[in-house]
Amino acid sequence: KNQVEQSPQSLIILEGKNCTLQCNYTVSPFSNLRWYKQDTGRGPVSLTIMTFSENTKSNGRYTATLDADTKQSSLHITASQLSDSASYICVVSYNTDKLIFGTGTRLQVFP
Amino acid sequence: DAGITQSPRHKVTETGTPVTLRCHQTENHRYMYWYRQDPGHGLRLIHYSYGVKDTDKGEVSDGYSVSRSKTEDFLLTLESATSSQTSVYFCAISEFASGDNEKLFFGSGTQLSVL
Repeated sequence: KNQVEQSPQSLIILEGKNCTLQCNYTVSPFSNLRWYKQDTGRGPVSLTIMTFSENTKSNGRYTATLDADTKQSSLHITASQLSDSASYICVVSYNTDKLIFGTGTRLQVFP
Repeated sequence: DAGITQSPRHKVTETGTPVTLRCHQTENHRYMYWYRQDPGHGLRLIHYSYGVKDTDKGEVSDGYSVSRSKTEDFLLTLESATSSQTSVYFCAISEFASGDNEKLFFGSGTQLSVL
């Protein structure tokens, strides 16, 4: 069964600290993996898209990694800011045109 | 939100009534999608459109219908709303098929409550 699992479900950190969010997937055939940020009451916004051949991609303070062999991805946030408080959703594309969404990690950054 | 407007933003309705949600885009993108988001579930695809009058079902299409008479508008209709359709509904657009290395752009969502 195609699945995307994210951990932890929720995370609290202090402003300025780094954190790493995890995504494990059992999706085949794999096309690409995406990370989205969703602020409360808003729609998701794309952070990164990685194909099979890419193992790292950065977008400002956000760095995503992909290990296609172990089917794991991580999203690392450096020097967190209050505005990073949001849900982060891992999405895997398969069969060239289908997407499966994880349930997200809710991150809260406190001053 | 990338030129996507969803209306209404909030809706409260009664079981058995018809409900139509509207998604309007100004990006002239070919593909439009309706998703629902529920606690404990990832976003799930209801229906999508790949052109004017061209639509197809997603994974949770039962109880929903869609129409796209113009490039910019994609309507989602609940023919007879049920409490299980209480959810947050998101419209999304993309220039090419979503499975390609193609970003999806999402609207701000419609919170629908069916009492």
